[in-house]
Amino acid sequence: GENVGLHLPTLSVQEGDNSIINCAYSNSASDYFIWYKQESGKGPQFIIDIRSNMDKRQGQRVTVLLNKTVKHLSLQIAATQPGDSAVYFCAENNYGQNFVFGPGTRLSVLP
Amino acid sequence: DSGVTQTPKHLITATGQRVTLRCSPRSGDLSVYWYQQSLDQGLQFLIQYYNGEERAKGNILERFSAQQFPDLHSELNLSSLELGDSALYFCASSPGLSGGETQYFGPGTRLLVL
Repeated sequence: GENVGLHLPTLSVQEGDNSIINCAYSNSASDYFIWYKQESGKGPQFIIDIRSNMDKRQGQRVTVLLNKTVKHLSLQIAATQPGDSAVYFCAENNYGQNFVFGPGTRLSVLP
Repeated sequence: DSGVTQTPKHLITATGQRVTLRCSPRSGDLSVYWYQQSLDQGLQFLIQYYNGEERAKGNILERFSAQQFPDLHSELNLSSLELGDSALYFCASSPGLSGGETQYFGPGTRLLVL
């Protein structure tokens, strides 16, 4: 597959452990946030979203936490699996304006 | 599978040439977005169309243009290509007008300019 972001920060975790991927967003007025997963050779895939009136949202094996005070977003993946290996992007949106994407974090799951 | 399709998957061309990338949105989606993803710039928004009309512009060069047709498919035209235009180009779609809706991405077109 293509080399997306050769110089991305990388998080390595053992299979079965929990992963936490962090994102600092730039605009304090942003009101909608999405986490995307991008596997090699594929387009970004929606994982979970959260609006600014919430501070936590849970999906299947994933949880997103939003701390508006420090403009921080995190994605927690429970019981990380080899299939979770990918680049993860956060995206912020300000009242219907277009999304601004973070630089991404590469998650590497070790057997 | 997001339901968004893009063709071609790969494209190799020479500097100075012109290419056209094609995108079909998810069924029922009226908005189409184009993004460029390169190693040093990350994912950059280029342009949005809604129901055939240009809605928003991002970091799109004047050498690039796009359109959305009555059947809602979209084309991104890249002309006078330069080496630095080599990148992945993604199309995304969403149901409505607002750029604040969840966007679903296609598989991308990998463009290599030699």
